[in-house]
Amino acid sequence: ETGVTQTPRHLVMGMTNKKSLKCEQHLGHNAMYWYKQSAKKPLELMFVYNFKEQTENNSVPSRFSPECPNSSHLFLHLHTLQPEDSALYLCASSQDGTSGGETQYFGPGTRLLVL
Amino acid sequence: GQNIDQPTEMTATEGAIVQINCTYQTSGFNGLFWYQQHAGEAPTFLSYNVLDGLEEKGRFSSFLSRSKGYSYLLLKELQMKDSASYLCAVRDGDYKLSFGAGTTVTVRA
Repeated sequence: ETGVTQTPRHLVMGMTNKKSLKCEQHLGHNAMYWYKQSAKKPLELMFVYNFKEQTENNSVPSRFSPECPNSSHLFLHLHTLQPEDSALYLCASSQDGTSGGETQYFGPGTRLLVL
Repeated sequence: GQNIDQPTEMTATEGAIVQINCTYQTSGFNGLFWYQQHAGEAPTFLSYNVLDGLEEKGRFSSFLSRSKGYSYLLLKELQMKDSASYLCAVRDGDYKLSFGAGTTVTVRA
């Protein structure tokens, strides 16, 4: 238990569906992250939020839409996804995203399958 | 982009020692992390190195050479529960964290 929770843990959706992934952290952190993890590939950073403001969008397609209503919650809204978007989506949090030695704490991820 | 290389897979016997190497080429450097990830679970923090040398933490040690762009994670007295993926991650000059693809370690009885 890292203090970062994600729901749902598993999700199957069609290409025309709309769904949302939720992340919540109970660590009092101010930075939150979305990563995509595909088999045998490095974790890919998607979005970064610091103090609720988006500070990084790593050239992510617009079919992925993040939302950060407060420092404890992060959402990833999904619509018209493609089969190649099937992956493990990991949320992480850290103190404030500005310190070199700062550790990121990860949630267990949402395993997404797009049919 | 950043370039972080580590072996894809390693196998070792229970009680043995395994060394996982990581080489990196990044724009600037603000530290190197090792994470452990069991199948279906969250990556969990193992170690952080920012200065050259060896950091020891129980059965796990991590080494860094900044001039060589090189690190290793040393796992001693291997246990079955150490079977997992080990991720090397480097924080660059812009404080962005980039990950390697991970090394899957299988511990055999």
